[in-house]
Amino acid sequence: GEEVAQTPKHLVRGEGQKAKLYCAPIKGHSYVFWYQQVLKNEFKFLISFQNENVFDETGMPKERFSAKCLPNSPCSLEIQATKLEDSAVYFCASSPDAFNYEQYFGPGTRLTVT
Amino acid sequence: DAKTTQPTSMDCAEGRAANLPCNHSTISGNEYVYWYRQIHSQGPQYIIHGLKNNETNEMASLIITEDRKSSTLILPHATLRDTAVYYCIVRGDSNYQLIWGAGTKLIIKP
Repeated sequence: GEEVAQTPKHLVRGEGQKAKLYCAPIKGHSYVFWYQQVLKNEFKFLISFQNENVFDETGMPKERFSAKCLPNSPCSLEIQATKLEDSAVYFCASSPDAFNYEQYFGPGTRLTVT
Repeated sequence: DAKTTQPTSMDCAEGRAANLPCNHSTISGNEYVYWYRQIHSQGPQYIIHGLKNNETNEMASLIITEDRKSSTLILPHATLRDTAVYYCIVRGDSNYQLIWGAGTKLIIKP
């Protein structure tokens, strides 16, 4: 597709439950990036992929967060045992190449942990 | 840690040019300056980017100082639809992640 698609739009989970978010990058884009936006303005980089390979995972809280990009499937970001502080909007972005290209963002998934 | 500093908020009259400043004094030689905006709570929208030369596209102009320690985004004729949070971002030169600052909330007034 011509736009980055993210599902679901909203997700509500009780503390301790699992949350799984999906991202379909723009067709032909090799790079996928996940960002977390907390408190309206602050964006935090989580992880990036080059096709199905992890490119950079320096932002991932590894104890509970995991992500995958498998061939012919949407990319996914999974949070095991969610905590209240995981409440945020999670944005996925894709790019045809990592160097000197803009990243195209999806509409985001709002995760609320209660 | 964010590598950019921006004013928290700015106002601009509709039809006038909006000039948004950004300081990035620790930028390294291979790092690009990107500008994105976020309208309401939508996904960020790319505006423009540059390395050292001034850049212009259909949305905006980007002026980067010669020492590359600061830049200005110019929206030449602001409209009410340009009301948004504008982010000045330094893109990492080895891992390509976008390193976000706190952004400037730009309010366009009729």
